[in-house]
Amino acid sequence: GAVVSQHPSRVICKSGTSVKIECRSLDFQATTMFWYRQFPKQSLMLMATSNEGSKATYEQGVEKDKFLINHASLTLSTLTVTSAHPEDSSFYICSAKVASGGAEDTQYFGPGTRLTVL
Amino acid sequence: AQSVTQPDIHITVSEGASLELRCNYSYGATPYLFWYVQSPGQGLQLLLKYFSGDTLVQGIKGFEAEFKRSQSSFNLRKPSVHWSDAAEYFCAVGVYGNEKLTFGTGTRLTIIP
Repeated sequence: GAVVSQHPSRVICKSGTSVKIECRSLDFQATTMFWYRQFPKQSLMLMATSNEGSKATYEQGVEKDKFLINHASLTLSTLTVTSAHPEDSSFYICSAKVASGGAEDTQYFGPGTRLTVL
Repeated sequence: AQSVTQPDIHITVSEGASLELRCNYSYGATPYLFWYVQSPGQGLQLLLKYFSGDTLVQGIKGFEAEFKRSQSSFNLRKPSVHWSDAAEYFCAVGVYGNEKLTFGTGTRLTIIP
């Protein structure tokens, strides 16, 4: 149980285009989803926290107009990278929590999406 | 704010040898502590977690970790590694009342025959 999927797993796009990444909880309802960005050989940096039916909370330094997050249902959150540029190339990972408690609730991670912007 | 340090960027061990990956945290109270493993190109899988109680925590795949408050550490151990354990390991810390996790920079584990 507690499986999180991401689609696509890999995407290559031209500079200036927008890319949408989907994160789905397959066998549970996720009240909260998180979006992370991981640079090569580095840790995961939290970009935003997404709660179903409400606006996402972005971390300091993350442009909310560039990284649009929508959490339309308890099983789906989407991250749209708008007007992508080469510096947006990265590995994007989502995670989902079953409950709406604190850090003690286990986060289940998706397999990640490799974005390459040419 | 809480922080976590993984002092070892890369560790190489022989298959069958024991393993210890270090993790140190900084936080004024008792944190929630996690170890995750990431295989190449994959997401993270939870190995084990500590919230309270017994300071020696057992996880999946034969891993265990011990919370030592006096040393602000939560080191991950395995008595005998297998080639399939080669991966990136992340320690993470969370705190009461905040659902975010803060991750360390990771330790890459290489297994040699």
